[in-house]
Amino acid sequence: DSGVTQTPKHLITATGQRVTLRCSPRSGDLSVYWYQQSLDQGLQFLIQYYNGEERAKGNILERFSAQQFPDLHSELNLSSLELGDSALYFCASSPSGGGYEQYFGPGTRLTVT
Amino acid sequence: KNEVEQSPQNLTAQEGEFITINCSYSVGISALHWLQQHPGGGIVSLFMLSSGKKKHGRLIATINIQEKHSSLHITASHPRDSAVYICAVLSYSGGGADGLTFGKGTHLIIQP
Repeated sequence: DSGVTQTPKHLITATGQRVTLRCSPRSGDLSVYWYQQSLDQGLQFLIQYYNGEERAKGNILERFSAQQFPDLHSELNLSSLELGDSALYFCASSPSGGGYEQYFGPGTRLTVT
Repeated sequence: KNEVEQSPQNLTAQEGEFITINCSYSVGISALHWLQQHPGGGIVSLFMLSSGKKKHGRLIATINIQEKHSSLHITASHPRDSAVYICAVLSYSGGGADGLTFGKGTHLIIQP
């Protein structure tokens, strides 16, 4: 158990819908990272937050957004969902920024039908 | 060309064999991670290294910064080591502002 929690574990929704994925980092960790794992693209970095502020952006679509709240939990919002958004979404946390080990949550499996 | 290349893509070995998985990268990095992903999907961080060598139990990871290459070794392999092993790099940008860039993974099967 990494100490990172993600909810829900599974999510099935229809195209065009909007969903919110939630992540709670390990106690004391200030950085949260979101990653997407799909069959064709593999694992990709989406976005990083540090202590409530956006720190870095990767391959995140404009239809996707995220935020980190004062209690340090983070939410990833996916809107206007397409079939290709079906993937495993992981969050990871670390004490600070890049020079630290990242601890991964169990992931949320999103299926868009 | 991917920034992070792993080899082999697939590896099947017999229990007890010495396993080596290789990772080459093309960018300047501040750290390299080895991750393990189990069939159920969960990802576990095995090592983070920026120089030299680290050992944890039967696992050894090495990195050569000049050659931009890292290896993950498993000694006395066991069926429970069967998993996907993923190499990921953290590009150097300063300020801790970067996510990881991943290789495509090595699918390892250890047969009893």
